[in-house]
Amino acid sequence: QVQLQESGPGLVKPSGTLSLTCAVSGGSISSSNWWSWVRQPPGKGLEWIGEIYHSGSTNYNPSLKSRVTISVDKSKNQFSLKLSSVTAADTAVYYCARASMDRYMDVWGKGTTVTVSS
Amino acid sequence: SYELTQPLSVSVALGQTARITCGGNNIGSKNVHWYQQKPGQAPVLVIYRDSNRPSGIPERFSGSNSGNTATLTISRAQAGDEADYYCQVWDSSTGEVFGGGTKLTVL
Repeated sequence: QVQLQESGPGLVKPSGTLSLTCAVSGGSISSSNWWSWVRQPPGKGLEWIGEIYHSGSTNYNPSLKSRVTISVDKSKNQFSLKLSSVTAADTAVYYCARASMDRYMDVWGKGTTVTVSS
Repeated sequence: SYELTQPLSVSVALGQTARITCGGNNIGSKNVHWYQQKPGQAPVLVIYRDSNRPSGIPERFSGSNSGNTATLTISRAQAGDEADYYCQVWDSSTGEVFGGGTKLTVL
């Protein structure tokens, strides 16, 4: 059974770069799936950030595209998120998820809270 | 960009049927997926590709999609069904799109 686990700093300074990693266990990141990042600001809904395929192909939310980089490390069976020039508006719970080729997200990590504050 | 519209809240009496809608331009031509999220927890997939249930999801959960509206139906609603529900589609120009979410209250 595939499991996902997010990790990374819980506090990031304004104008800095948010960096998170999602470790995949119980399965291969080279399977026929997309690997996604989704966030949820406090008290708000879900916002898709972007996704990556094991080949390195990526898709990003147009509203975040200029600040987002998602990468994959097949040797470590994990993928990562970098979000630059963060502000308080980037404070959220960040989830990683596995998406099928039909783009439904059937496996989610527990989520990690990232706060942007000085 | 593609947008999905959900009601902010839906209420249902215990044991009755709840219907949560998700509106989008010609959404009937897209695959719609639904997630349940309880407080402090990650979302859980409850319906994929309009009307399919993942293993472990009760038969009380069903979905339909036609025209400009997709619907998640929860029959014989239970207290444990209280949660936020999100619809989601893939759009070729926007990427993954989530609806704003609907809070289901079981009375």
